[in-house]
Amino acid sequence: GDSVTQMEGPVTLSEEAFLTINCTYTATGYPSLFWYVQYPGEGLQLLLKATKADDKGSNKGFEATYRKETTSFHLEKGSVQVSDSAVYFCALSPSQEGAQKLVFGQGTRLTINP
Amino acid sequence: SQTIHQWPATLVQPVGSPLSLECTVEGTSNPNLYWYRQAAGRGLQLLFYSVGIGQISSEVPQNLSASRPQDRQFILSSKKLLLSDSGFYLCAWSVHGTGTDTQYFGPGTRLTVL
Repeated sequence: GDSVTQMEGPVTLSEEAFLTINCTYTATGYPSLFWYVQYPGEGLQLLLKATKADDKGSNKGFEATYRKETTSFHLEKGSVQVSDSAVYFCALSPSQEGAQKLVFGQGTRLTINP
Repeated sequence: SQTIHQWPATLVQPVGSPLSLECTVEGTSNPNLYWYRQAAGRGLQLLFYSVGIGQISSEVPQNLSASRPQDRQFILSSKKLLLSDSGFYLCAWSVHGTGTDTQYFGPGTRLTVL
């Protein structure tokens, strides 16, 4: 079945460091790919998404590129801030009709120190 | 604009007691609706989804049930809670129909079963 594998956390960085959180997926067809962010005690917020190969999603300085050849959707940010501390989830939406059931990775906890 | 509400925000219940969590969506009609559970330190597990009133699909057999009595209302229930039902419950909605639809999450309900 479809699955998402994320880089294990926790990840701890200093402010202004470069961030990469790896995400790879297994799916049939052409899924859509998402990154969601969960701040402490809150629900999930959509961070960015990409719907086809070579698309780049971007938001709030974060970027991720849909790489079909490596089945990856790695999250990057050039200079992180303390406010980026959260749990990040990679997810895919299978490419078939009907209710779009997201498949999530396990999440990566990110802590940014000042 | 669309908004999604969940209540209560937190709940502490004894083992064997009943449960009712409610989710409502505003600003859209005929959405797809979803219930997820997030156990402590783990990823999200899809529990139920619904593509219309009275239409419920269960993803994982367990001690819980779901109902959709109105177009924009989704309820998660249990007759007798177990310790293993503790977790963070998230409701989500997406635009009805086919395609790669983004899911939008509510603020969540934290349930502790003692």
